[in-house]
Amino acid sequence: SQQGEEDPQALSIQEGENATMNCSYKTSINNLQWYRQNSGRGLVHLILIRSNEREKHSGRLRVTLDTSKKSSSLLITASRAADTASYFCATDSSNDYKLSFGAGTTVTVRA
Amino acid sequence: GAGVSQSPRYKVAKRGQDVALRCDPISGHVSLFWYQQALGQGPEFLTYFQNEAQLDKSGLPSDRFFAERPEGSVSTLKIQRTQQEDSAVYLCASNEAGSWETQYFGPGTRLLVL
Repeated sequence: SQQGEEDPQALSIQEGENATMNCSYKTSINNLQWYRQNSGRGLVHLILIRSNEREKHSGRLRVTLDTSKKSSSLLITASRAADTASYFCATDSSNDYKLSFGAGTTVTVRA
Repeated sequence: GAGVSQSPRYKVAKRGQDVALRCDPISGHVSLFWYQQALGQGPEFLTYFQNEAQLDKSGLPSDRFFAERPEGSVSTLKIQRTQQEDSAVYLCASNEAGSWETQYFGPGTRLLVL
């Protein structure tokens, strides 16, 4: 069973626009990570945010974490065609190292 | 440096056949994970190794699934008597020992059982 749920399931935006997707999870976490997956490829790590952090930036990416609401958001600013991919949030817990993934948000950036 | 590699990239098997999927983790990475990703879904945890020790196999869906890492580096995921529901992408990931940090994923093996 999957720990996280991403919202929306799919997102289509124009190049240059911002893309925002959300992730909700069910149990207490240690870290929350966001990964990108291009069609037919493996997962690429984007950013990790710890449970005691509220916001983190990396290039055009901004991640927020609200542990009281058990939710996170990923913002991609000034999107490019190359950002077209599926985005997954993944959580771990203090009990073990395995990652629990959501079902993902599929983002399409139109040129 | 080299990332995680997996082979084969694609495998077609007839129902009932046994298959073996290989994972070469990043050199020096002690932890190794296997995940199963069904079409349109996120990856689901199968099993975890620290060196050669299989510390968690709670995600293996049945006793037809078996994983090993005899020398603490390369790992093999074996599926016996494959069924159609085993069709999925099998992803391997590795990271440094005892770490709640980034897991580095391989490209996956896409298994299709006919």
